[in-house]
Amino acid sequence: QSALTQPASVSGSPGQSITISCTGTSSDVGGYNSVSWYQQHPGKAPKLMIYEVSNRPSEVSNRFSASKSGNTASLTISGLQAEDEAYYYCSSYTSTSIYVIFGGGTKLTVL
Amino acid sequence: EVQLVQSGAKLKKPGESLKISCKGSGYRFTSYWIGWVRQMPGKGLEWMGIIYPTDSYIRYSPSFQGQVTISADKSSTAYLQWSSLKASDTAMYYCARFLGDIAAFDIWGQGTMVTVSS
Repeated sequence: QSALTQPASVSGSPGQSITISCTGTSSDVGGYNSVSWYQQHPGKAPKLMIYEVSNRPSEVSNRFSASKSGNTASLTISGLQAEDEAYYYCSSYTSTSIYVIFGGGTKLTVL
Repeated sequence: EVQLVQSGAKLKKPGESLKISCKGSGYRFTSYWIGWVRQMPGKGLEWMGIIYPTDSYIRYSPSFQGQVTISADKSSTAYLQWSSLKASDTAMYYCARFLGDIAAFDIWGQGTMVTVSS
């Protein structure tokens, strides 16, 4: 498996909510609660937004939430703001020899 | 403040060797895994491998096994090394603190851009 599957792009207007999906298999997303989400602004390092499927680091806004159902994890951003425009990557532990696998990334555009 | 500070950008020729660094501060460096992540121009994140500085136990992604060498020393610094660079090694390389029990990178370095061109 080369990468977890994410939509290439999503968009929303300020104030709206959007959801980004991350689909894997029973060897990664579906089998373990080690799903994380990262935000990356252009030219910047990634930032951890969600860990263990739905936990938020203390410094991350509560507008960011996440969940998992079966082999698909989801990140929801509510009350979209211009500053949320960025790339978002999911990752998961995998029982394969790869050990950690990332999604291909999703570009969020705030219209 | 917990932080990882990486060495500066490098421009190298194919076939040359290179070692880039990542220095941790503000926490007990030996108590946490350090990982390396590649991001090729315009592409996504790729997990390369992790090292536990206490005993230098290393786990490589199969895609990078044999292509790079990960190491660490007692100066709270981790390294990523190439013996013979290729043009395809051109990328941004991030080090990050890896929480092994939850498989998450919680602290990231600022990145080191490596450009390999003749």
